[in-house]
Amino acid sequence: LAKTTQPISMDSYEGQEVNITCSHNNIATNDYITWYQQFPSQGPRFIIQGYKTKVTNEVASLFIPADRKSSTLSLPRVSLSDTAVYYCLVDRYNQGGKLIFGQGTELSVKP
Amino acid sequence: DVKVTQSSRYLVKRTGEKVFLECVQDMDHENMFWYRQDPGLGLRLIYFSYDVKMKEKGDIPEGYSVSREKKERFSLILESASTNQTSMYLCATRTGGEGADTQYFGPGTRLTVL
Repeated sequence: LAKTTQPISMDSYEGQEVNITCSHNNIATNDYITWYQQFPSQGPRFIIQGYKTKVTNEVASLFIPADRKSSTLSLPRVSLSDTAVYYCLVDRYNQGGKLIFGQGTELSVKP
Repeated sequence: DVKVTQSSRYLVKRTGEKVFLECVQDMDHENMFWYRQDPGLGLRLIYFSYDVKMKEKGDIPEGYSVSREKKERFSLILESASTNQTSMYLCATRTGGEGADTQYFGPGTRLTVL
């Protein structure tokens, strides 16, 4: 599975839009991109997943350019409760198997 | 909703003790996983299982074993606990079928080995 690279940490203020970019240069045709969120002392929680272009749900948007070598998680109007670690992962379609977690991006939202 | 439960949230054990961490899921998922999480190292896969009585080593299996006698239950065993196994342990499950799916995590067990 392709290795991912994302910033170690980011700071933001309440009400701002936050964009976290992840690079995955060696992504394969049958790989898709998944983002997880983890709060302190809890297990990671799925937030969004996509293959190409744009995906939006009630929590976030995911932008994937045509070459799929990167992706951007967009969190609109963050609040203090969005302070968490965000993991970008590359997963393989129909594999149902293990995921490889990187270091993640520690997002700190300030008042 | 998928529910993944772990037997303890916090556990304190002594060096040399045998430790059992239990994970139970209620969604009939084929695949189950054990990770440990340490500051600065992220989540690292210890073992995973894709069926009853089947197991595969992850990235850091040394010092651990697993057991999956029933589909819904996946146990992590520390045969002789050591201080370097102090960590947060996370269990996860996912379906083994077609399509894009996700892993569902339990709340974690914070193990301290003295």
